[in-house]
Amino acid sequence: SAVISQKPSRDICQRGTSLTIQCQVDSQVTMMFWYRQQPGQSLTLIATANQGSEATYESGFVIDKFPISRPNLTFSTLTVSNMSPEDSSIYLCSAQGDSYNEQFFGPGTRLTVL
Amino acid sequence: TQLLEQSPQFLSIQEGENLTVYCNSSSVFSSLQWYRQEPGEGPVLLVTVVTGGEVKKLKRLTFQFGDARKDSSLHITAAQPGDTGLYLCAGVTGTYKYIFGTGTRLKVLA
Repeated sequence: SAVISQKPSRDICQRGTSLTIQCQVDSQVTMMFWYRQQPGQSLTLIATANQGSEATYESGFVIDKFPISRPNLTFSTLTVSNMSPEDSSIYLCSAQGDSYNEQFFGPGTRLTVL
Repeated sequence: TQLLEQSPQFLSIQEGENLTVYCNSSSVFSSLQWYRQEPGEGPVLLVTVVTGGEVKKLKRLTFQFGDARKDSSLHITAAQPGDTGLYLCAGVTGTYKYIFGTGTRLKVLA
């Protein structure tokens, strides 16, 4: 299994600013994912981040708004740019294990935009 | 767009009762997973089912994958307060994407 940490765990930000969320895995993984979740609701995939290539974004999410970095096999960042109150959500990163049937999640970052 | 609908959306039961959560889709998945999530934490994988018709048991939890690999169910026997949480199914596509279900919030009262 993989242990995943995220920083910050929560933040309150002003409209128009940007926040970068960090995701650290305790082992090397090929695929990492970023999700958004409204409290108590389902997860929506934002993008897939593979080391050495650009992130692949899902419909409705664009690189200018959610730039992602994946500098090595244990680390990734997601930036939420030019934030608005609609961006208030929980942002989760995950990593795929040795099997594509394994996925491990970080604890999430709770973002509130005022 | 691939969707996974879960039912019920909310469930509040007494300790000791049995319950079943359903996860339905019109799409076929390579495999299907069930997660449980508690407040302030990320989802934790409970089980993965791969073969159509497959049944897996995890203590008091029984998971079944539909024959056509489009749907799944989670049955909990003699629910306990520790089972409280958000249950999410997730279908794995052929391109290794995870499509999450709409979620079922379970509360087990002591």
